[in-house]
Amino acid sequence: DAGVIQSPRHEVTEMGQEVTLRCKPISGHNSLFWYRQTMMRGLELLIYFNNNVPIDDSGMPEDRFSAKMPNASFSTLKIQPSEPRDSAVYFCASSPSVAPEQYFGPGTRLTVT
Amino acid sequence: DQQVKQNSPSLSVQEGRISILNCDYTNSMFDYFLWYKKYPAEGPTFLISISSIKDKNEDGRFTVFLNKSAKHLSLHIVPSQPGDSAVYFCAAREGSNYKLTFGKGTLLTVNP
Repeated sequence: DAGVIQSPRHEVTEMGQEVTLRCKPISGHNSLFWYRQTMMRGLELLIYFNNNVPIDDSGMPEDRFSAKMPNASFSTLKIQPSEPRDSAVYFCASSPSVAPEQYFGPGTRLTVT
Repeated sequence: DQQVKQNSPSLSVQEGRISILNCDYTNSMFDYFLWYKKYPAEGPTFLISISSIKDKNEDGRFTVFLNKSAKHLSLHIVPSQPGDSAVYFCAAREGSNYKLTFGKGTLLTVNP
């Protein structure tokens, strides 16, 4: 069984550039979550989709962040323009229906210089 | 305002002994608790969970205990193995809310 797939695994970019992170959830899971992990704040939920519809984006830090889920097997998190303080590990997770357990991808380590 | 706290950033134990990882919470509306394990350069992996209607859940070497009156839960690993060395996160869910609130993690090191 393939788990949650994220790409790229590492991204290094310069301040001001657009960054797009990608996620493929586990097949059959209808909930998808984007998290950000930093030393200071730990794991923070950015946005949650249910059946491809954004339900809660209150964790998205600024308008520079946007997320889409065009279909059940693909989601993107975009940062435009990127800033050094966006440097973090970004995780995508999925879960089936209303099950509390979420299954995480390997993460994308983003470095903005 | 941290609703889920793991007050020990790190813990070191000898192989074969018991590891006890602790977690405290403040929100009395939390009704489901989970533990995740995370290796470097990997995503968190679901380990074990417990509903608030129970006080204990066991899965092999892993047991989670919940003390609702103290708003405290703990993860026991017996016996500990070097492969258990990882960061352990405690997480909690409120009612039917999808959202998980995570603690900041405890780094467990099991020495051979």
